[in-house]
Amino acid sequence: GEDVEQSLFLSVREGDSSVINCTYTDSSSTYLYWYKQEPGAGLQLLTYIFSNMDMKQDQRLTVLLNKKDKHLSLRIADTQTGDSAIYFCAESTPRNDYKLSFGAGTTVTVRA
Amino acid sequence: DGGITQSPKYLFRKEGQNVTLSCEQNLNHDAMYWYRQDPGQGLRLIYYSQIVNDFQKGDIAEGYSVSREKKESFPLTVTSAQKNPTAFYLCASRGQRDSPLHFGNGTRLTVT
Repeated sequence: GEDVEQSLFLSVREGDSSVINCTYTDSSSTYLYWYKQEPGAGLQLLTYIFSNMDMKQDQRLTVLLNKKDKHLSLRIADTQTGDSAIYFCAESTPRNDYKLSFGAGTTVTVRA
Repeated sequence: DGGITQSPKYLFRKEGQNVTLSCEQNLNHDAMYWYRQDPGQGLRLIYYSQIVNDFQKGDIAEGYSVSREKKESFPLTVTSAQKNPTAFYLCASRGQRDSPLHFGNGTRLTVT
């Protein structure tokens, strides 16, 4: 909900990089997550980052965390048509008993 | 293969009827969660259970009920008191308190 915010839409050309941004409010967040949802399916964990890290790379995915600004981003290199989906960021905080708070999701459309 | 199974994938009911959504996991996870997803609103937590025979209300528990009689199973009942039950329902589980959530493929409930 309101604790985690994302822009709702992103359109990117095939082969370009996509950058999805997320802001959160709780400075005591422990982990921050990125999930992917394809139409009619559940959420698939893409990657996550511990709050004491500022970057994590996993193949085509790069996560950047700016803890001072409470800003998280997910970069997808060489975006493919199969990357078209909704991407959710989520935070886990002890204040909320480690329940995940999700953003509203960013719909990524990859165009040829 | 370990995972979370939600059934059925699609469910149709008439207004005024209670309906139960099934969620089973064979991941040996202690904690299980039910979320509701509506377009453009992200995921909202309905109920969660961190241990067998115990569960807590989430942010939107009104009109829903759950039970947790077995570790593997966490069924959700949508009662006739739920004012707007048509939605996509997602079940999730996790092994430890601050670990990633694993999701099922969801049940789309339509009430007319």
